[in-house]
Amino acid sequence: SSELTQDPAVSVALGQTVRITCQGDSLRNYYANWYQQKPGQAPVVVIYGKTNRPSGIPDRFSGSSSGNTASLTITGAQAEDEADYYCNSRDRSGNHVFGGGTKVTVL
Amino acid sequence: EVQLVESGGGLVQPGGSLRLSCAASGFTFSHYWMHWVRQAPGKGLVWVSRINNDGSSTSYADSVEGRVTISRDNAKNTLYLQMNSLRAEDTAVYYCTRDIAATLEWGQGTLVTVSS
Repeated sequence: SSELTQDPAVSVALGQTVRITCQGDSLRNYYANWYQQKPGQAPVVVIYGKTNRPSGIPDRFSGSSSGNTASLTITGAQAEDEADYYCNSRDRSGNHVFGGGTKVTVL
Repeated sequence: EVQLVESGGGLVQPGGSLRLSCAASGFTFSHYWMHWVRQAPGKGLVWVSRINNDGSSTSYADSVEGRVTISRDNAKNTLYLQMNSLRAEDTAVYYCTRDIAATLEWGQGTLVTVSS
């Protein structure tokens, strides 16, 4: 089965920029999605189809991809961005795979 | 408004069974592939199973293969997950998700606790 790899944790000063990366073979063929999860809540998509942002998601969230690596960038991080972030993609069977998650701490 | 409402979770003994349900509304249920994703306490998201829009194709994670069955009733707009031979490591919040162009839309989840 395919796997996606994320750094376990990152920290960012309030108002600064942080980039979270996700690596995996499936990303060579399928776009990454990014989900934000706050404690006790269900995940919410913040970036889908590599670079698309759902309505209601602030434009400080952006996505990019190259080869087997996808990235989520938060430009001007806010206190409310402190959360766990998971990358995800589908595979050729239509199944899904998740990264292990990155805990973002806003200092 | 799209809603995915899971139910059926609870406390079950090791070796026991449980059937989770997910009531879908606000969209044409029969048009979408659906998945179950779980999250053990303090851990990450793990894909469990998926079913295509008409129920003719299913797939399972290795960790649950042979113990879990996903199904759907398009007339009732409901997704199911029958879980048998439950183990302590199956303890998790189970999320019902809708597959929209390879992106997942999530319910609020239902907690399954396997313990004696």
